[in-house]
Amino acid sequence: EVQLLQSGAEVKKPGESLKISCKGFGYNFRNRWIGWVRQKPGKGLEWMGIIYPGDSDSKYSPSFQGQVTISADKSITTTYLQWESLKASDTAMYYCAKGGYRTGADSWGQGTPVTVSS
Amino acid sequence: DIQMTQSPSSLSASVGDRVTITCRASQSMSTYLNWYQQKPGRAPKLLIYDASSLQNGVPSRFSGGGSGTDFTLTISSLQPEDIAIYFCQQSYSVPLTFGGGTKVEIK
Repeated sequence: EVQLLQSGAEVKKPGESLKISCKGFGYNFRNRWIGWVRQKPGKGLEWMGIIYPGDSDSKYSPSFQGQVTISADKSITTTYLQWESLKASDTAMYYCAKGGYRTGADSWGQGTPVTVSS
Repeated sequence: DIQMTQSPSSLSASVGDRVTITCRASQSMSTYLNWYQQKPGRAPKLLIYDASSLQNGVPSRFSGGGSGTDFTLTISSLQPEDIAIYFCQQSYSVPLTFGGGTKVEIK
């Protein structure tokens, strides 16, 4: 069974750094695009970026380019989403999702809520 | 960037009604269009991929159509468990983009 397991909820202060994770199970992690999606409270879905773990090719949405870093460690079938300096506006639920580029995103993580507040 | 415009933003229908949601892309993208269902407090779930292919395990009352710039998601007979927000998403080019969502309620 394909599964994406995300790291737990985070509460941070503005200016702090953060790295959240998403571990894939039950499929060939190297050969499938995997991405990150943001959802602010009561709002829609925003695709942040995607990565191909096999060669670490990554593509970002303009709104998130330079604001976050997406990486992957294929040896442990895990992808990461990282911030160097959080803002209050980064408060949201973050989902990882398998696929989404040239196909549907057919598996999703359970979500990682991130709260940034002083 | 390809902009995705969904309509309506919300709808209310009776159990058993046929419901149609539309999604329009700002440029042609063949059939690289996916539909998702999101229930409160849950991650999105893929319903339809490549415009008209039903994802495994999704009830057959859901169907998708269209190509180019205009797409539809149809629920042939609305059920109480279909109460959710529905999103379209283009998978043709980066940046990947979603429509704004359609909230479906029972009348």
